Amino acid sequence: EPEVTQTPSHQVTQMGQEVILRCVPISNHLYFYWYRQILGQKVEFLVSFYNNEISEKSEIFDDQFSVERPDGSNFTLKIRSTKLEDSAMYFCARTARGEVWGYTFGSGTRLTVV
Amino acid sequence: AQKVTQAQTEISVVEKEDVTLDCVYETRDTTYYLFWYKQPPSGELVFLIRRNSFDEQNEISGRYSWNFQKSTSSFNFTITASQVVDSAVYFCALSEALPQGGNTGKLIFGQGTTLQVKP
Repeated sequence: EPEVTQTPSHQVTQMGQEVILRCVPISNHLYFYWYRQILGQKVEFLVSFYNNEISEKSEIFDDQFSVERPDGSNFTLKIRSTKLEDSAMYFCARTARGEVWGYTFGSGTRLTVV
Repeated sequence: AQKVTQAQTEISVVEKEDVTLDCVYETRDTTYYLFWYKQPPSGELVFLIRRNSFDEQNEISGRYSWNFQKSTSSFNFTITASQVVDSAVYFCALSEALPQGGNTGKLIFGQGTTLQVKP
């Protein structure tokens, strides 16, 4: 099945800076998701995105987070003003239309806030 | 409320031993989906299996096997004749619905079990 590719693989940013994490264009998606994994902890759901709008978000997904498909293809997660506790691995995931329902994760972006 | 519990934080075995990773889940739905993912040291999440709640047949894939028991709300994972390459963090996850209509199909993960296989 098609891969989910994320960029960058690792990003270091200063506290208070904005960061944008990206999923490379994927066709035939049904839903996109962002998940977060703080080092050594479990993977946590952040937000799901369907038909160009948020379908569900968790308590973690507060006003500093936003998602969009800026050019109708790439899927992005923006963190407006990063905090030290935003340091984590961020995973994009998708399910694909027309397939037996599956769930594929991207390779992840490791965000380090300093 | 949905919940996934992996009570074993870390397991260490010697190569060729069999090892079972436990997963217990909670859900109020009668239809749900269970997953296992492997996270090697490189960090990606590798899909291993998905199981529907209405299919209680156990599954075997090479050295991997899964035991799904609705009566005890468990979905345990066994690796037979473990190898060093099996060393990773293993996550069990639950989804209460397919991603369609008003359901988003989000996954709820357990805390993960770190498996170390020593040569």
